[in-house]
Amino acid sequence: GAVVSQHPSRVICKSGTSVKIECRSLDFQATTMFWYRQFPKKSLMLMATSNEGSKATYEQGVEKDKFLINHASLTLSTLTVTSAHPEDSSFYICSATRGGGSYGYTFGSGTRLTVV
Amino acid sequence: GQQLNQSPQSMFIQEGEDVSMNCTSSSIFNTWLWYKQDPGEGPVLLIALYKAGELTSNGRLTAQFGITRKDSFLNISASIPSDVGIYFCAGQLINTGNQFYFGTGTSLTVIP
Repeated sequence: GAVVSQHPSRVICKSGTSVKIECRSLDFQATTMFWYRQFPKKSLMLMATSNEGSKATYEQGVEKDKFLINHASLTLSTLTVTSAHPEDSSFYICSATRGGGSYGYTFGSGTRLTVV
Repeated sequence: GQQLNQSPQSMFIQEGEDVSMNCTSSSIFNTWLWYKQDPGEGPVLLIALYKAGELTSNGRLTAQFGITRKDSFLNISASIPSDVGIYFCAGQLINTGNQFYFGTGTSLTVIP
């Protein structure tokens, strides 16, 4: 089955630094990847849609200069949280699809970001 | 983003009981997915629905795509302790990119 690997699973960083999170599709080519953010005991909030070779599409209210997304290949998308602040602390999850509803959407295991 | 209202917000049930939860929206969706999430993990797909009226089962789980395309429900029969977790619905809007939007979640606790 489709497997999505997300790395790192946990990261603690100092306020003001940047953090990069990777999302890889291991056994399929992902035409589209999505990045979500989840606060404790809350639902997943779509942040942006990433299509290989093009600029990401951000949801309303998500700062594109704050959350940089790069989808340079069909198997890798990265989310960089720039100049992180404590309020950026959250659970970030990616998902990937080969495209078309019949393929479904596979999620990574998530990254717990703590900014201190 | 889109708002999908999921109910109930939480459930506490005895082992062996059946569970029912639903998801509603003011928007029309062309695909509904149901996921389960364990603490600290990403969501895992349970059931996918692609047609209005579709009723699909996966073991003890059954889900239906509402006729109006604005709702879906998930039933779990004969619950067991490992059913504990948070269940999310996710809907894909018609005529948009492949984005899925998530419901507010239902936290399920099964009491042995």
